[in-house]
Amino acid sequence: AIQLTQSPSSLSASVGDRVTITCRASEGIGSALAWYQQKPGKPPNLVIYDVSSLHSGVPSRFSGSGSGTDFTLTISSLQPEDFATYYCQQFNSYLTFGGGTKVELK
Amino acid sequence: QLQVQESGPGLVKPSETLSLTCTVSGGSISSGGYYWAWLRLPPGKGPEWLVSIHLTGRDYYNPSLKSRLSISMDTSKNQFSLRLSSVTVADTAVYYCARPLAGRDFFDYWGQGAQVTVSS
Repeated sequence: AIQLTQSPSSLSASVGDRVTITCRASEGIGSALAWYQQKPGKPPNLVIYDVSSLHSGVPSRFSGSGSGTDFTLTISSLQPEDFATYYCQQFNSYLTFGGGTKVELK
Repeated sequence: QLQVQESGPGLVKPSETLSLTCTVSGGSISSGGYYWAWLRLPPGKGPEWLVSIHLTGRDYYNPSLKSRLSISMDTSKNQFSLRLSSVTVADTAVYYCARPLAGRDFFDYWGQGAQVTVSS
């Protein structure tokens, strides 16, 4: 099974900061990668799919990049509602998720 | 607006079978050609995809859990169901049903989740 490793597992940031989260796949997955945001007690919300396509209604401060095995999610200017846990998911071979990155208030 | 909602026991004993049902509202489970799915979120870990099913009955399973999983669909009730046999404490998680974006393998509709604890 394809494994996804996210880094860091947690980070502390302030409102207005630029935040970057990395997702590394154990083998090449082309562009078959999505990102989700999850807040406590809520289900995950789709943020980005196909590496860099923004899901409907998602603010443009979110962006994604990468290919092959290395991918990033960037929040250009962190807002109060962005404090959450973020997961990557690959759909190249079956479906697997990363372990998550918790974005906390500094 | 499509909604999906999980239901089932919140506590299951070790070695028993976990059964959950997902009820779909605001849309028909028979339309659109979607692969309806079950996922779970174990405490302190990332989500884990379990199984997906299509209206035609075609299904595909997480290989690591396939021997213990089964999924079924009841179009008359607009529901699909999950069974996980021989559960252990490692199966304790929040279980979600979800629908992917049309024709794709990532999810834009999720239920609120059902906490299932495996304990004697």
